[in-house]
Amino acid sequence: QVQLVESGGGVVQPGRSLRLSCGASGFTFNTCGIHWVRQAPGKGLEWVAVISHDGRNKNYADSVKGRFTISRDNSKNTLYLQMNSLRPEDTAVYYCARDARYYTSGWNYHYYYMDVWGKGTTVTVSS
Amino acid sequence: DIQMTQSPSSLSASVGDRVTITCQASQDISNYLSWYQQKPGKAPKLLIYDASNLETGVPSRFSGSGSGTDFTFTISSLQPEDIATYYCQQYDNLPLTFGGGTKVEIK
Repeated sequence: QVQLVESGGGVVQPGRSLRLSCGASGFTFNTCGIHWVRQAPGKGLEWVAVISHDGRNKNYADSVKGRFTISRDNSKNTLYLQMNSLRPEDTAVYYCARDARYYTSGWNYHYYYMDVWGKGTTVTVSS
Repeated sequence: DIQMTQSPSSLSASVGDRVTITCQASQDISNYLSWYQQKPGKAPKLLIYDASNLETGVPSRFSGSGSGTDFTFTISSLQPEDIATYYCQQYDNLPLTFGGGTKVEIK
């Protein structure tokens, strides 16, 4: 069945790095835009980043720009989120989610809403 | 960035009641709005897209309406399994933004 599975979360000290992974199955991964969305404890949902099907287009929330890098390996059906210079406010459950209607037209990339979500992986930034 | 203001932040209603949640965008987003349901400890689940289209497999007691800046999400007859937090999300522009959420409880 269509599935996304996150991994790589854990406890890390402020200023350190962590890499999250998101494995996909049950759909054609290399045609889909994929998002990372996070949720701090007891808080709402926050969009983090998105990547195009071919990895050429990447967009980030201002809160993580310059510190986080989204990437993908289509040969492995896997999405990544490299998180550097982590801060306590990055503590959250991180979800990967498939864009339901992503498409490209020339050099334009179009992102929409999310129809498939993983179960999430927890990142705790604390000394 | 487009701000999404959702209200109320929480509500309590009886089984069978009609429940309404509103979401207001800080600028015109046409109908580029989705609604999600999130149960405790679970990932969000897509319910509605394009403001009023029901995702496949979602019960018909859920509905959405609106366009421009003002949107409404309705549960026509609240069921015990509907206890969750509901979020709106705009996709007119990046960054994608969510409303603050509405926690729905049973009275």
